Amino acid sequence: GQQLNQSPQSMFIQEGEDVSMNCTSSSIFNTWLWYKQEPGEGPVLLIALYKAGELTSNGRLTAQFGITRKDSFLNISASIPSDVGIYFCAGRGGGSNYKLTFGKGTLLTVNP
Amino acid sequence: DTEVTQTPKHLVMGMTNKKSLKCEQHMGHRAMYWYKQKAKKPPELMFVYSYEKLSINESVPSRFSPECPNSSLLNLHLHALQPEDSALYLCASSQDGVYEQYFGPGTRLTVT
Repeated sequence: GQQLNQSPQSMFIQEGEDVSMNCTSSSIFNTWLWYKQEPGEGPVLLIALYKAGELTSNGRLTAQFGITRKDSFLNISASIPSDVGIYFCAGRGGGSNYKLTFGKGTLLTVNP
Repeated sequence: DTEVTQTPKHLVMGMTNKKSLKCEQHMGHRAMYWYKQKAKKPPELMFVYSYEKLSINESVPSRFSPECPNSSLLNLHLHALQPEDSALYLCASSQDGVYEQYFGPGTRLTVT
């Protein structure tokens, strides 16, 4: 089946620093989604990407759909303590309506 | 409004109990999902309902029984669960099979 490699697995940063994480696959995806999950809560959708090369921002967050359709990255600028959580990428492959393939997540810790 | 609600927030049940989890969305979405999530792991798809019909069952044991009474509601009936079924159960919805999925806050289930 399709697999996503998400990196890094975890990050420890100082408040104010920029963060970058990415997901790569050997398969082509038609949709890339980025979620943030805090302890005891459900994943919250941050950014949805539907076109190769698409670059989308949501406040301090920016994500891109790789031109090869096999990767995506998420950047967070000027991190703040409330950015703490697990960030998941998820991709939907061609012919895989409804089914998402999730990365294993990036645990972000921000030191004030 | 992109809200998916789930009740209860927490549930503790014995292995001989019967209980139900409930999910509701009022976004007019035609696809609804049940996921199971273990700690620090990505969500795992269990069931998909599309236009109120069961579309996908990811080989889930029969002690989990989904139901979609109408286009806004999704239930998960639980019976004779095992301790290893303890997890966060997430409901999600999407406009259809190709668009982004929105997750609810989850039900934390503990089986004793």
